[in-house]
Amino acid sequence: GAGVSQTPSNKVTEKGKYVELRCDPISGHTALYWYRQSLGQGPEFLIYFQGTGAADDSGLPNDRFFAVRPEGSVSTLKIQRTERGDSAVYLCASSSGGPVTSTDTQYFGPGTRLTVL
Amino acid sequence: SQKIEQNSEALNIQEGKTATLTCNYTNYSPAYLQWYRQDPGRGPVFLLLIRENEKEKRKERLKVTFDTTLKQSLFHITASQPADSATYLCALGFSGGYQKVTFGTGTKLQVIP
Repeated sequence: GAGVSQTPSNKVTEKGKYVELRCDPISGHTALYWYRQSLGQGPEFLIYFQGTGAADDSGLPNDRFFAVRPEGSVSTLKIQRTERGDSAVYLCASSSGGPVTSTDTQYFGPGTRLTVL
Repeated sequence: SQKIEQNSEALNIQEGKTATLTCNYTNYSPAYLQWYRQDPGRGPVFLLLIRENEKEKRKERLKVTFDTTLKQSLFHITASQPADSATYLCALGFSGGYQKVTFGTGTKLQVIP
């Protein structure tokens, strides 16, 4: 399809394990965003990529979280030594990379639901 | 501290009526404000954008107002339908050349047939 896709849709892991979450943005979108959404809350910004570089990683909660986008397309969010508090839906969004307009905005994927037992 | 507040309680309205959702913010100076719709198990979908120098925007049955003095945005859905039932999120955007936004907690709207 033409939208943002994320895999897996669900991930269950044990405390202390390492996980990787993948995001495939809309083709041609240079900007990519990761958000985290806890139950009953709005999405919380984690990191923004423009091309291959992380232009703003101010939302990453600690050094267990890391994200890459080596070829400027697909991105992977990596979480080391997972904790129960990491359980949430992780959303990816992409945009054309230009300034925001009424018709040029972020397009979100369906999210990956991460459960840490 | 900085806060974005939306109606914490779910909003139930009768089909055909106008739904009005509120977004209030504290200690932010947004350049623009967006409204998104989110259905269960899905990512947010962009609906409308309004800039700080605009008072009102419309799109079909949707209307958004933005009052930077009151630090408030109102989101209206006229002639509401059961298919409008969803969670609605407001998001503040800032100048800086890219589209990072800060979201409110969302309001769950239920339109009753």
